[in-house]
Amino acid sequence: GAVVSQHPSRVICKSGTSVKIECRSLDFQATTMFWYRQFPKKSLMLMATSNEGSKATYEQGVEKDKFLINHASLTLSTLTVTSAHPEDSSFYICSAIPVLAGMTDTQYFGPGTRLTVL
Amino acid sequence: GQNIDQPTEMTATEGAIVQINCTYQTSGFNGLFWYQQHAGEAPTFLSYNVLDGLEEKGRFSSFLSRSKGYSYLLLKELQMKDSASYLCAVRDIQAGTALIFGKGTTLSVSS
Repeated sequence: GAVVSQHPSRVICKSGTSVKIECRSLDFQATTMFWYRQFPKKSLMLMATSNEGSKATYEQGVEKDKFLINHASLTLSTLTVTSAHPEDSSFYICSAIPVLAGMTDTQYFGPGTRLTVL
Repeated sequence: GQNIDQPTEMTATEGAIVQINCTYQTSGFNGLFWYQQHAGEAPTFLSYNVLDGLEEKGRFSSFLSRSKGYSYLLLKELQMKDSASYLCAVRDIQAGTALIFGKGTTLSVSS
């Protein structure tokens, strides 16, 4: 149980274009999902917290107009990187907390999306 | 703010025991997680500690001392497949359910 999927797994795009990444909880519902970014040999950096039915909460330094987050349902959150630039190339990982997680509120991670901006 | 420290790299041999330490500073501690991450893959949940003491789960155990701001992950009977990055993550009351990750410890297991 507690499987999270991401699509696409890899994407290459041209500078200036937009890319949408989907995060789905396959066998549970999640009111809260998180988006992280990870550069090579670095740890996960939280970008934003996505709550179903409300606006996402962005971490300091993350541009909300550049990284658009939509948490449309209890099983789907999307991250759209708008006007992508080469410095946006990174590994983007989402995670989700099951609605019935109990007191641990364990986050379950998706397999990640490798974005390369040319 | 929060600060999480763990060693950058560790090496060990098959069958051995290794302890990965993590120290943290946070104003509203509300739980500590350990995750395993293989290169190019997403992190997988290993353990959760919120009270002092040792949590054992098969070959992996995790310890927490809240007064010292200290945790360790203990891996026994090491296998080659245990070669991975191990991430210590702390949850702070003020941050809700969000996690703050350390930089990770890359463990290399050799035969």
